[in-house]
Amino acid sequence: NAGVMQNPRHLVRRRGQEARLRCSPMKGHSHVYWYRQLPEEGLKFMVYLQKENIIDESGMPKERFSAEFPKEGPSILRIQQVVRGDSAAYFCASSPDSNEKLFFGSGTQLSVL
Amino acid sequence: GEDVEQSLFLSVREGDSSVINCTYTDSSSTYLYWYKQEPGAGLQLLTYIFSNMDMKQDQRLTVLLNKKDKHLSLRIADTQTGDSAIYFCAEVYTGGFKTIFGAGTRLFVKA
Repeated sequence: NAGVMQNPRHLVRRRGQEARLRCSPMKGHSHVYWYRQLPEEGLKFMVYLQKENIIDESGMPKERFSAEFPKEGPSILRIQQVVRGDSAAYFCASSPDSNEKLFFGSGTQLSVL
Repeated sequence: GEDVEQSLFLSVREGDSSVINCTYTDSSSTYLYWYKQEPGAGLQLLTYIFSNMDMKQDQRLTVLLNKKDKHLSLRIADTQTGDSAIYFCAEVYTGGFKTIFGAGTRLFVKA
C-alpha cells in the first residue's frame, strides 16, 4: 500500500506563472488536506477536501489559490500568478475519515524566482 | 479560536530524557497527536492520546495530558542522536474537523 504521493518534489516558477501541485492519497483514503510550511514555521492549514467536495477552505487565500479533488485522479492545489511569498513547502495529507490521524506526503518545495 | 503553542527549541545530551511541551485551545478535541518531521521529509505520526486519557506510554515515549490546563507533553526517554528532528503537537479541531499544528519544537541531541 503506497503512501501519500506528492509530485513534483521540487517546483521552480517565475513570478506570474502558474503552479500545480498534485497529491495522490493513500489507497482507501477519501479525505485530503493541504498544508503550507514556511521556513522556521509550523504547518498552516489551507484546505480540507473530500471526493469532489471542498469541506473547509478557511486557510486558503481568497485569490489565486484553488484546490480540487476530483472523482478520479489526484487532488490538485493550483496557484495562479505566483509571487515570491508563495515560496514554501506544501504538504498533502490523507486520512480514511475525518477526525483521524493524518498520513503525510513528502511535500512539494515551491520556489518562486 | 484555534491555536496550538510549543516552545521552538530544545537541546539535550544523548542518553538524557527530553520533554516537549504544548498547549492547545480546543477543549473539546477528541485526539491530540505528536508528529515528527526529519529534514526534507513529511510528517510522521509518532503517537497520539485520546482526550479521556491522562497518560499513554509507548516504548521510549510517554505522553501526558492535563485537560484542565489544556497542556500536552511528550517525554522521550534515553534520547538518541537519531531523535533529532522537529516535533509537532497537533489537535483535531472539532469545529471543522481539521488538524491544527503547533509551530514545532526543534530537538537537538548532543553526543
